[in-house]
Amino acid sequence: NAGVTQTPKFQVLKTGQSMTLQCAQDMNHEYMSWYRQDPGMGLRLIHYSVGAGITDQGEVPNGYNVSRSTTEDFPLRLLSAAPSQTSVYFCASRRQGAQTQYFGPGTRLLVL
Amino acid sequence: GENVEQHPSTLSVQEGDSAVIKCTYSDSASNYFPWYKQELGKGPQLIIDIRSNVGEKKDQRIAVTLNKTAKHFSLHITETQPEDSAVYFCAASNVILTGGGNKLTFGTGTQLKVEL
Repeated sequence: NAGVTQTPKFQVLKTGQSMTLQCAQDMNHEYMSWYRQDPGMGLRLIHYSVGAGITDQGEVPNGYNVSRSTTEDFPLRLLSAAPSQTSVYFCASRRQGAQTQYFGPGTRLLVL
Repeated sequence: GENVEQHPSTLSVQEGDSAVIKCTYSDSASNYFPWYKQELGKGPQLIIDIRSNVGEKKDQRIAVTLNKTAKHFSLHITETQPEDSAVYFCAASNVILTGGGNKLTFGTGTQLKVEL
């Protein structure tokens, strides 16, 4: 199993550009989440999904959209990037009934 | 909502010494407390967790203690080794409330450095 994979590893955007951060897991986990990690602030939940077709907002959802059309994939979309979205983004997944979350390697995003 | 505070932000110890990282939480309904280790350039990895019905849990050199009355929990690493150097995060969650969700609230992290 590859576990949780994320692409790209690093991305530079200009303010106002859009992009999609990809996340995939091959563990057949029902639950998937997106976090952002900023210096001195730990990890903050952006959006999460409890299964295909079901998504909900986390702590910091503004400026981000998600969809979950399959169990495996959970892309995060930035519609109009802003410098405040410069961060490291982590995708995570876990099995229903379990609490252990498995994190991907992260995507480092720089918005100029 | 839940608020988790973590101290210290940086911790330097000599190889073989013990390291202790402390976290406090605000929501008395929280009942699940995991600890994650994040190595440079990688995603966080669960190293140990504890539920509110248990006061202490050990796994080899790592232990976690929980004081529900005071609403704080701690990570203890004994006989530290250079490979223990990493950022450690605590987190809290109400498993019953979130059910299918992943609403962990994380602390701000502790950079642990184990010096030779």
